[in-house]
Amino acid sequence: DGGITQSPKYLFRKEGQNVTLSCEQNLNHDAMYWYRQDPGQGLRLIYYSQIVNDFQKGDIAEGYSVSREKKESFPLTVTSAQKNPTAFYLCASSIVAGAGETQYFGPGTRLLVL
Amino acid sequence: QKEVEQDPGPLSVPEGAIVSLNCTYSNSAFQYFMWYRQYSRKGPELLMYTYSSGNKEDGRFTAQVDKSSKYISLFIRDSQPSDSATYLCATRAWTGGFKTIFGAGTRLFVKA
Repeated sequence: DGGITQSPKYLFRKEGQNVTLSCEQNLNHDAMYWYRQDPGQGLRLIYYSQIVNDFQKGDIAEGYSVSREKKESFPLTVTSAQKNPTAFYLCASSIVAGAGETQYFGPGTRLLVL
Repeated sequence: QKEVEQDPGPLSVPEGAIVSLNCTYSNSAFQYFMWYRQYSRKGPELLMYTYSSGNKEDGRFTAQVDKSSKYISLFIRDSQPSDSATYLCATRAWTGGFKTIFGAGTRLFVKA
């Protein structure tokens, strides 16, 4: 089955702790994205990557970091600098990052602060 | 003003009703429009994709774009309880690179 997987489904973070969310895709897509979703708000872009070993900040990158060492994988680290990390995190991918591309989403990871 | 505005609802309708979901956008340069459906605690899935003005139909779903009024709509005919979900509109824009801008989503309940 082709698709995007995210793990874990739920993640608990203690204050001051860094946590990493996993995102893997087997769609052979070049572009990958991380979004944050809060109640009553649209998806907000954290980081995106159009090619291996390259990534760009989105609208709300502060307190987050990413890497793109493999085409299939785009992990997101929520650092202790992110003071309000409780949210639903969505990973997406697309064939290219052009004008008409459409993004396909993973099932999401819900991050909660203890 | 948000670039894409969407009434959060909730919208509650009886089974079999025609549902109309709407968004407005601010930039006349937007050309690509999408509707995503998101079930509770799941990732969004792409429902419809349209380019520029006009209608596009897919089964019970019709997407409509009116560029003159910067208004996009999704119609659901013969609505079913399984249509109960949050519907997100989105558009693509050039901001030094292409970016997808999402509305906040409208929560729909279809009652059996």
